[in-house]
Order: sequence, then structure tokens, then C-alpha cells
Amino acid sequence: AQSVSQHNHHVILSEAASLELGCNYSYGGTVNLFWYVQYPGQHLQLLLKYFSGDPLVKGIKGFEAEFIKSKFSFNLRKPSVQWSDTAEYFCAVNQIKAAGNKLTFGGGTRVLVKP
Amino acid sequence: ETGVTQSPTHLIKTRGQQVTLRCSSQSGHNTVSWYQQALGQGPQFIFQYYREEENGRGNFPPRFSGLQFPNYSSELNVNALELDDSALYLCASSLVGQGGIQYFGAGTRLSVL
Repeated sequence: AQSVSQHNHHVILSEAASLELGCNYSYGGTVNLFWYVQYPGQHLQLLLKYFSGDPLVKGIKGFEAEFIKSKFSFNLRKPSVQWSDTAEYFCAVNQIKAAGNKLTFGGGTRVLVKP
Repeated sequence: ETGVTQSPTHLIKTRGQQVTLRCSSQSGHNTVSWYQQALGQGPQFIFQYYREEENGRGNFPPRFSGLQFPNYSSELNVNALELDDSALYLCASSLVGQGGIQYFGAGTRLSVL
């Protein structure tokens, strides 16, 4: 079965620091990859997605992610975080040929940005 | 705002009871998925409905069931509630052919006592 692992459960950093969150998945077939963000008290929102093409994808709010097929990884980065980036971040994978269009999520990483 | 609305926002039930959660999909979306998010974990796929039929199911027992209506709204029913069913239940709507992008509602927080 497909699984997604996120390397850090909690990350604490100061404003202007760089952020990198790791994500690895287990499925060897064709996948679509996503990062979702959940700000305190809000619903899950799509941050960015990768379907095909350039493995470096840019999302909203200055986030980007790099797909490395050989490592089954899809790491999220932001060069300089702001206090408003405090949130929980989820990596998710959609297997193209699986029945249904389900997303398999990682366990999430809670990011706290100190002002 | 995603346009996906869920009701109620909070619910308290006792073990053994039955519960129905409701979801209204984003306009134009023909697929609805339900997820369970336990505290401190990522969402887990329960099932998905497309054209009013179940179109994929995760590792959840049959006491978790669902419906999708012609207007693409949906219900999640859970029978014989157990303490471990306490979680945030998320509804997500999507459109076939969009590569799996799903738009989530705010969820229903279910507490089973």
C-alpha cells in the first residue's frame, strides 16, 4: 500500500530563516504530488502541486517544492519564512492508476515561526 | 474559501450511537471524498463517490457508509460508534480529470464518549 512519510513532526524557527520540509512516498508508479497547508483554525488549502514536467514547482506565498523521482521525494522549501507561515503542512500523493482519486497523506509537520 | 461546506461543525455522541455528517461540494464538482483525521495525524481516506456510486474505499469497516446525491452533496454515516471514531472528518470535492486536486471543507469534529 502507498505510504507517505514526513521527516519532522515539529519545526521551530525564527522569521527570515529558511524552511525545508521533507516528504518521501513509497509508490513506484506514476503519481501526482501535493503539499497542503492548514493554518490555525482554517481548512486544508492547496499550497502547490506537481503533475509532470519541470521537477521544481512553485506555489503560493513563496513556497516551492522539488520532485526527485529517484529518491521518491517531494521536499517543500521557502527561503525566508514569516510569522504568518505558522501552520501544519501535509504532503500528499495521488496514485494515477489507483481506483478512485484518493490522496494519501503524510502525518504532517507543525511549523512554528517565532517573530 | 473552497466552497465546500460541512455540517455540523461539532458533534458529541456516545459509544454505540449512529451519526450522519453532511457535505456540500464546490459548485461544478462531481466527486466527493471523505477523510478521517485523528488528532496529531494526517487525513486518512475513507471513501470516494462519483456519480452517486462508491469509487474507491480505504481501510475502514462497513459501518462507515456514504451517499452522494444528484446535486453532488454527500453524507457520511457511521454506525455503532466506537471511542476511536473520535476525529475530525473532512469532506473534499474534486472534478474528474484535474489530476487529483481536492478542495477541502473545514471539517466536522466528532467526539465519541
